[in-house]
Amino acid sequence: DTGVSQNPRHKITKRGQNVTFRCDPISEHNRLYWYRQTLGQGPEFLTYFQNEAQLEKSRLLSDRFSAERPKGSFSTLEIQRTEQGDSAMYLCASSPSPETQYFGPGTRLLVL
Amino acid sequence: KQEVTQIPAALSVPEGENLVLNCSFTDSAIYNLQWFRQDPGKGLTSLLLIQSSQREQTSGRLNASLDKSSGRSTLYIAASQPGDSATYLCAVDHTGGFKTIFGAGTRLFVKA
Repeated sequence: DTGVSQNPRHKITKRGQNVTFRCDPISEHNRLYWYRQTLGQGPEFLTYFQNEAQLEKSRLLSDRFSAERPKGSFSTLEIQRTEQGDSAMYLCASSPSPETQYFGPGTRLLVL
Repeated sequence: KQEVTQIPAALSVPEGENLVLNCSFTDSAIYNLQWFRQDPGKGLTSLLLIQSSQREQTSGRLNASLDKSSGRSTLYIAASQPGDSATYLCAVDHTGGFKTIFGAGTRLFVKA
């Protein structure tokens, strides 16, 4: 068990480009969460998967954002037509139960 | 709408001092409350989880208390060390594990 991994760790892109992030949860964790964190703030919930089903989406997840978890294993978060306001740390977490969440190291996105 | 507030926003203390971090929340109908630690540019590490039926949890030099009726939690750190320097985040959960609401955190610096 190597913990939750996220790739890439850093991404710099130009406004208008599409980006995709990947999260590999701890094996056998059926719950997976995505959060966004801006400087000086706590993480904000984006979306939640139980196995392959996306059960909850925040209003923060605009039409430009989409998340998938095919086969209930890894997950991807795609941002289309990136804007400067999308610059943030994107955190993924997994858990085996509705309690402690195990966080990955995050993907830091900078939109120029 | 649940709001989580953490006071102080930042704290600097000499090594060896005992300290208390505060967290308040507006809706007392919570499922659990967690305290996390975040090192700069990194993901979150869970420190303590308190179920809604519990009053406190302890782990080593850390003790967290929960008073649901007043909407407050405290994290007590005994005999602080420079390695304790980090941001401490409080988070509450209503719905059994998703849509966790975080506070903005307290940035702690322990001087050697």
